[in-house]
Amino acid sequence: DAGVIQSPRHEVTEMGQEVTLRCKPISGHDYLFWYRQTMMRGLELLIYFNNNVPIDDSGMPEDRFSAKMPNASFSTLKIQPSEPRDSAVYFCASTLGGLFGNTIYFGEGSWLTVV
Amino acid sequence: AQTVTQSQPEMSVQEAETVTLSCTYDTSESDYYLFWYKQPPSRQMILVIRQEAYKQQNATENRFSVNFQKAAKSFSLKISDSQLGDAAMYFCAYRTNNDMRFGAGTRLTVKP
Repeated sequence: DAGVIQSPRHEVTEMGQEVTLRCKPISGHDYLFWYRQTMMRGLELLIYFNNNVPIDDSGMPEDRFSAKMPNASFSTLKIQPSEPRDSAVYFCASTLGGLFGNTIYFGEGSWLTVV
Repeated sequence: AQTVTQSQPEMSVQEAETVTLSCTYDTSESDYYLFWYKQPPSRQMILVIRQEAYKQQNATENRFSVNFQKAAKSFSLKISDSQLGDAAMYFCAYRTNNDMRFGAGTRLTVKP
């Protein structure tokens, strides 16, 4: 299996522009997570889906952020409009089953810089 | 490719006892950060401890400490006086300026 695939790997964009990050989870996994990582705040859970349905989006920072999962093999995280403080690494991760203790597989991250 | 290996899928410890979770990593970089994250059932990722590779002194945070062996590329986490609330998944991670990798996780159970 190719693992969790994220794109783009790196993105530099200007403030005010729309940013769309994409994720393909591991085939067969029914949970998908979006995390944001900064050195200041660590790794924050933004939102997660179970069977394509958003379960907890309490971590989404504000209305500028939105996430969708139209099918089991694809999810997007959109920021519109982007701001410099959104600069971070955004990780997508997936797992099979909701039991505590199941390992989570992370993608390589999308490294976003907003200037 | 840089990788992070956690060889213990599950660990168990008696309350008040000490447990050590192992982590090894592979990198050609000389400057990087290492992390241990705790993930409770809520799925949040809580930073437990962080170590800068250029620092020889092992990081400590209250009951949590690390044994950082740079030459061996080893970064184990020791939890002293284990508490029931320490039960969680623990992820080891590695970060450079343009890369970050996670281990597969260790599930820690704390027995009362």
